[in-house]
Amino acid sequence: DAMVIQNPRYQVTQFGKPVTLSCSQTLNHNVMYWYQQKSSQAPKLLFHYYDKDFNNEADTPDNFQSRRPNTSFCFLDIRSPGLGDAAMYLCATSRDDFDYTFGSGTRLTVV
Amino acid sequence: AQTVTQSQPEMSVQEAETVTLSCTYDTSENNYYLFWYKQPPSRQMILVIRQEAYKQQNATENRFSVNFQKAAKSFSLKISDSQLGDTAMYFCAFPEGQKLVFGQGTRLTINP
Repeated sequence: DAMVIQNPRYQVTQFGKPVTLSCSQTLNHNVMYWYQQKSSQAPKLLFHYYDKDFNNEADTPDNFQSRRPNTSFCFLDIRSPGLGDAAMYLCATSRDDFDYTFGSGTRLTVV
Repeated sequence: AQTVTQSQPEMSVQEAETVTLSCTYDTSENNYYLFWYKQPPSRQMILVIRQEAYKQQNATENRFSVNFQKAAKSFSLKISDSQLGDTAMYFCAFPEGQKLVFGQGTRLTINP
């Protein structure tokens, strides 16, 4: 089945130690998104790629970066994780017709 | 900017009952989509139902249906014959450009 896969499912990192979360898709969707979701809150968009064009949300901290080397893969880099960055990170994809598909998420713990 | 409001943080019903989750939104657009997503404890966001604003007929997917009131900017989700597996967070969502804007969510619990 075509899907959106996020690895790892759970990630523990040390305070201040760079960490990378990955997302891959077999849907050939042209748009990929990264959302941050804290406990019992709505997902908050960090940024998205429309094809190769990177679109950063105005309130996304500089600590968060992203890379999309090809259509299938997208990475979320957190340069210096703080305790406040502990959250679920959701990757999603879509086409121009608003057909969104979400991955299972990566739960990040910062110790 | 579009806003989406879910006024019920939590709801709880007995199995087999019908429950309605409310959602209101604000937009100046005329043609748009609206979505309800379910996020069970496993945390994967799953599309429940989708409504296109230009369609007057309310969308239905098995036990799930919507009451779409365009003039009132209201988009409620009705779950009929609720099941234990319906226990989850439910988010109403609205596209702003390419991205989805989510409401605050309603935590729905189905009790046996």
